[in-house]
Formats: sequence, structure tokens, C-alpha cells
Amino acid sequence: AQRVTQPEKLLSVFKGAPVELKCNYSYSGSPELFWYVQYSRQRLQLLLRHISRESIKGFTADLNKGETSFHLKKPFAQEEDSAMYYCALREYGNKLVFGAGTILRVKS
Amino acid sequence: DVKVTQSSRYLVKRTGEKVFLECVQDMDHENMFWYRQDPGLGLRLIYFSYDVKMKEKGDIPEGYSVSREKKERFSLILESASTNQTSMYLCASAGGHKEKLFFGSGTQLSVL
Repeated sequence: AQRVTQPEKLLSVFKGAPVELKCNYSYSGSPELFWYVQYSRQRLQLLLRHISRESIKGFTADLNKGETSFHLKKPFAQEEDSAMYYCALREYGNKLVFGAGTILRVKS
Repeated sequence: DVKVTQSSRYLVKRTGEKVFLECVQDMDHENMFWYRQDPGLGLRLIYFSYDVKMKEKGDIPEGYSVSREKKERFSLILESASTNQTSMYLCASAGGHKEKLFFGSGTQLSVL
């Protein structure tokens, strides 16, 4: 079965420090991966998807098929980045499998 | 902007009650989903629907059913609520094939 693993429940960093939220997946075909984010008191929303190869709010994520990883990175964390982050894998169609989530706390 | 509206933000029910969670979207999306969100477990898919009157089981359908009589509305039904169904329930919708999901603000259900 397809799986998405986010090994860290909580990641705490200081403002200005680099951030890396880890995501590993298992999938037999050609994977399509996403990062979703939920800020405090807001809805869960799409942050970025690997096929777009874009940078959103300074975040990037590269799909590494050899390591089956899709880590989310940002060189300099900001306080407004504090949120819950979910990595997700498209199983088929619009059906996504989500990881357990990582809380990012950026301290001033 | 797509609006996915869940009728209740907080709901408290008793064990054994029949519970209805309602979700409405205003963008004519074909696809609608019900997830539950639990700390340490992430989002788990309960049921989804690709069209009116169509439904498919997700990963944890036991104890739940759904109804999609109209395209814009997708209801989650707990036939006989149990304490282990206490959770945050998220509804989502998506347009065509492989489009991104838009989420509602969630319903925090407590079953006592």
C-alpha cells in the first residue's frame, strides 16, 4: 500500500534558521507529491506540488526518486511559517494519501 | 475563490446517536471527500464521491456512510456514533481529474 512518512511530529527552529521538513514515500508507480499547510485557525491549503517545480513563500521541495523523498525546505525561517505541514501522495485521480503531519514552530 | 462550507464548527453528540455532517461547495466540483484529522495520524480518507449518487470507500469507511444527492452537497453519516469517532472532520472538493483539493474549515465532533 502507498505510504507517506513524516518522521518528525514537531520541528522547532529559530527565526532566520534553515528549515527542512522531511517526507518519505512508498509508491510503485511514478509518484506525484504535494505539501499542504494549515496555519492557525485557517483551512488546510495546498502549498506546492512537485510537478510545478515552483517556490511558494520561499519554500521548495525536490522529488528524489532514489531516496523516495520529498523534503520541504526554506533557507531562512520566518515566524509566519509556523503551521502544521502535511506531505501527500496522489494515489489515483484526486485521491491523496497524507502523512501524519509535522508542526513547525519558528521561535523569535 | 472556491468555498467549501461545513455546516457546524463544533458538535457534541452522545454515544449511539445518528450524526449528520454536511458539506456544501459552490464551484460545481465533481469530486468531494471526507477526511478525519487526528493528531499523530494525519488525514485519513473516509469516503469520496466522483459524481452525484456515486461514492467510494476510502481507507477507513467502517462506521460511516455518505450521501450525495446533489452535486454541491456531500453528507457524512455516523449511523451510531461511538467515542472513537471523536475527531476533526474535514470536507474537501476538487474540480476535474488531478485538480487540487479545497478544504472546508472542519467540524470538531465530540462523542460522549
